[in-house]
Amino acid sequence: EVQLLESGGGLVQPGGSLRLSCAASGFTFSSYAMSWVRQAPGKGLEWVSAISSSGGSTYYADSVKGRFTISRDNSKNTLYLLMNSLRAEDTAVYYCAKFSDYRIRGYFDLWGRGTLVTVSS
Amino acid sequence: DIQMTQSPSSLSASVGDRVTITCRASLDIHIYLSWYQQKPGKAPKLLISAASNLQSGVPSRFSGSGSGTDFTLTISSLQPEDFATYYCQQSYSAPPLTFGGGTKVEI
Repeated sequence: EVQLLESGGGLVQPGGSLRLSCAASGFTFSSYAMSWVRQAPGKGLEWVSAISSSGGSTYYADSVKGRFTISRDNSKNTLYLLMNSLRAEDTAVYYCAKFSDYRIRGYFDLWGRGTLVTVSS
Repeated sequence: DIQMTQSPSSLSASVGDRVTITCRASLDIHIYLSWYQQKPGKAPKLLISAASNLQSGVPSRFSGSGSGTDFTLTISSLQPEDFATYYCQQSYSAPPLTFGGGTKVEI
């Protein structure tokens, strides 16, 4: 079955760190660019970060640049998001999303169910 | 960055109604425009890519049109399962990829 499954969310204090994982199955993971998209409670979708199919190129929204790091392990079919210096405004459901091809310039044709990150003291 | 503006932000409609949602880009994005449907507590689902390309398995009552800066998502005859929030997304100039603010379709 073609799917993405996120894990690693939870409650963390402001200033803390968390690492999200996204396990991919049912498609050739190494052939596709991947991304993280988040959604704050009751709000719209916000693109967070993207990574090329090889992992050689990474991109970030200004709101997370310098604090978040995206990476991937193509041998494990897994995407990661390391989140440091977390703030209350980072509270959201984080979705893993697959691009339609190897480029980040495209649309998301597969989404995971999401994992909730709550930043609060 | 390219800004995406959706209108309306919400609308009330009845089963069988024709519904039109508009998305406007702050710059020319050609046809690099996608539409997603999101139901409460669920992940977004891709409906349309490249402004008008209906994804496999998506009912034909959904259609997309437009190019440049103005785009439209139309539901020709609203069904009960179509009550959801709809988002547009541009991929012409990325990063960043940007989404519209969403349109909530409710009864």
